[in-house]
Amino acid sequence: DTGVSQNPRHKITKRGQNVTFRCDPISEHNRLYWYRQTLGQGPEFLTYFQNEAQLEKSRLLSDRFSAERPKGSFSTLEIQRTEQGDSAMYLCASSLSTQETQYFGPGTRLLVL
Amino acid sequence: AQSVAQPEDQVNVAEGNPLTVKCTYSVSGNPYLFWYVQYPNRGLQFLLKYITGDNLVKGSYGFEAEFNKSQTSFHLKKPSALVSDSALYFCAVRPLAGGFKTIFGAGTRLFVKA
Repeated sequence: DTGVSQNPRHKITKRGQNVTFRCDPISEHNRLYWYRQTLGQGPEFLTYFQNEAQLEKSRLLSDRFSAERPKGSFSTLEIQRTEQGDSAMYLCASSLSTQETQYFGPGTRLLVL
Repeated sequence: AQSVAQPEDQVNVAEGNPLTVKCTYSVSGNPYLFWYVQYPNRGLQFLLKYITGDNLVKGSYGFEAEFNKSQTSFHLKKPSALVSDSALYFCAVRPLAGGFKTIFGAGTRLFVKA
């Protein structure tokens, strides 16, 4: 069973550094989502892709954040000049356009020192 | 503003008793509604969803949820709780108007005591 995978699972970085996370969705899923989850909160929507097109971005996604899905398969989320407030769990989910159920990966936990 | 409320941070129930985890929402139009569960050190797992049709939907692990349009609620229920149901539960709403954003509640921790 190849579910949604995310790498790395954990990332510790120093403030000001750039980090990149990868998400591999379920292979036939054409929709891909990124969320951020902080302690005691539910996931917050960041951005959405349908195939390779980024169709929606949250206001939470500042200019330091960029996401790509170049071939409509895996996606990357990059955070430039990280800040301590970026420390969170970053979740990726995928779904089929014919269904509304999102399947989540295990997340990447980011700690910015 | 569109929002999802889970009014209880924690729900405690004895094993074998029925459980209810509450969810209310405020969105424009008719939304899609979901429940997800999160176990420690694991990703969110889909439990059930309401898209259209019967207001009572059944999902995984014996859970069900009732959509109440007039009260804008989507409470999660199970007739007989198990200790293994102890986890963090999230209600989520996708408004049909205005994009693909899904809004999650803050979560309710369910503790089932043996």
